[in-house]
Amino acid sequence: EIVMTQSPATLSVSPGERATLSCRASQSVSSDLAWYQHKPGQAPRLLIYDASIRATGIPARFSGSGSGTEFTLTISSLQSVDFAVYYCQQYYNWPFTFGQGTRLEIK
Amino acid sequence: EVQLVESGGGLVQPGGSLRLSCSASGFTFSSYTMHWVRQAPGKGLEYVSGIPSNGGNAYYADSVKGRFTISRDNSKNTLYLQMTSLRTEDTAVYNCVKGRLVPRANVFDYWGQGTLVTVSS
Repeated sequence: EIVMTQSPATLSVSPGERATLSCRASQSVSSDLAWYQHKPGQAPRLLIYDASIRATGIPARFSGSGSGTEFTLTISSLQSVDFAVYYCQQYYNWPFTFGQGTRLEIK
Repeated sequence: EVQLVESGGGLVQPGGSLRLSCSASGFTFSSYTMHWVRQAPGKGLEYVSGIPSNGGNAYYADSVKGRFTISRDNSKNTLYLQMTSLRTEDTAVYNCVKGRLVPRANVFDYWGQGTLVTVSS
């Protein structure tokens, strides 16, 4: 099983600043990596797939990068609606696995 | 607008059974792989099971293999998860999830709000 490790567990950032979230795979997943946003009481939302492709309707301030084992989600200028938990997920190999999540909180 | 509405959750004793349903609308249900993903209280997301568009070979996480059965009725636009031999560690919110078109069927582009399953005596 591919283990996905996200860092940091919690990230405190002020609105308007940039946030950088990391995800590491225990073995190469090529570019088969997605990012999701999850707010309390809401359904998770797909942000990025294939490591860097924004899903439909996702603002340009969200960007993804990386391949192999190291991936990054960047939010260029944080807005209040962006504070949530973010998960990465690999779909390169069965079983599909998620990271443990990064909680993005207001500083 | 894509909508996924889960139902069937509730309180069940260890060893019991429960069947979850997911009613889908707003897309051609029969064309997409569908999945179940769960989240235990205070924990992260865990993949449970998936089923291809034609209802063919399903796949299961090791933690539920042999106890859970995923199925679908394309004529009713409905996804199911039959859960048996339930354990306390199965307590979670269960989300119905739509995959993208092949070959990105295991990218989850729409999620339901989830239904809570509590396994407790």
